Amino acid sequence: KQEVTQIPAALSVPEGENLVLNCSFTDSAIYNLQWFRQDPGKGLTSLLLIQSSQREQTSGRLNASLDKSSGRSTLYIAASQPGDSATYLCAAIKAAGNKLTFGGGTRVLVKP
Amino acid sequence: DAGITQSPRHKVTETGTPVTLRCHQTENHRYMYWYRQDPGHGLRLIHYSYGVKDTDKGEVSDGYSVSRSKTEDFLLTLESATSSQTSVYFCAISNLGGENEKLFFGSGTQLSVL
Repeated sequence: KQEVTQIPAALSVPEGENLVLNCSFTDSAIYNLQWFRQDPGKGLTSLLLIQSSQREQTSGRLNASLDKSSGRSTLYIAASQPGDSATYLCAAIKAAGNKLTFGGGTRVLVKP
Repeated sequence: DAGITQSPRHKVTETGTPVTLRCHQTENHRYMYWYRQDPGHGLRLIHYSYGVKDTDKGEVSDGYSVSRSKTEDFLLTLESATSSQTSVYFCAISNLGGENEKLFFGSGTQLSVL
């Protein structure tokens, strides 16, 4: 059974600092891995998707890497802003049909 | 929110009563999912559908049933609500379930069972 872990559970940084969020998974036979953002009281917004054959994906200030052999993915957010404060979740998908297994999330606070 | 509407947004009910949550999509996507989100457990899959009248169980399906009679609607029913089913419920959709396809989520339904 796939298990996905995100450590730390919470993170606080000053504005302008780069953010590094970690995600680890136990089963390397994944289909793809997705990163989501969740604001308080809201649904999830998809940020980046990395296919199993890819090493990384980039969108603006966001960059996500994937290392299947070590069971890890990392989300980098450059030059953090207070608007980046949210909970970030990663999710691994084992097979077609997108049945995701989620990590517990990292709650990020960017202080002005 | 990618054309996904969940109703109701908030619901308070009593133990033992039946409850139905509705997810409606306007994207004509094939796959639809129900997740619940709880502190300490993250998001867990309850049931999903891969087409009209085609559904399957997720990891926490006990006490829940689903139906999908039309592409656009996916219903989640709690036959006899219990306090352990107090949670935030999210619906999600995906087009063809392909390797490069993202999931899109609704805004959630906050359910309280007293």
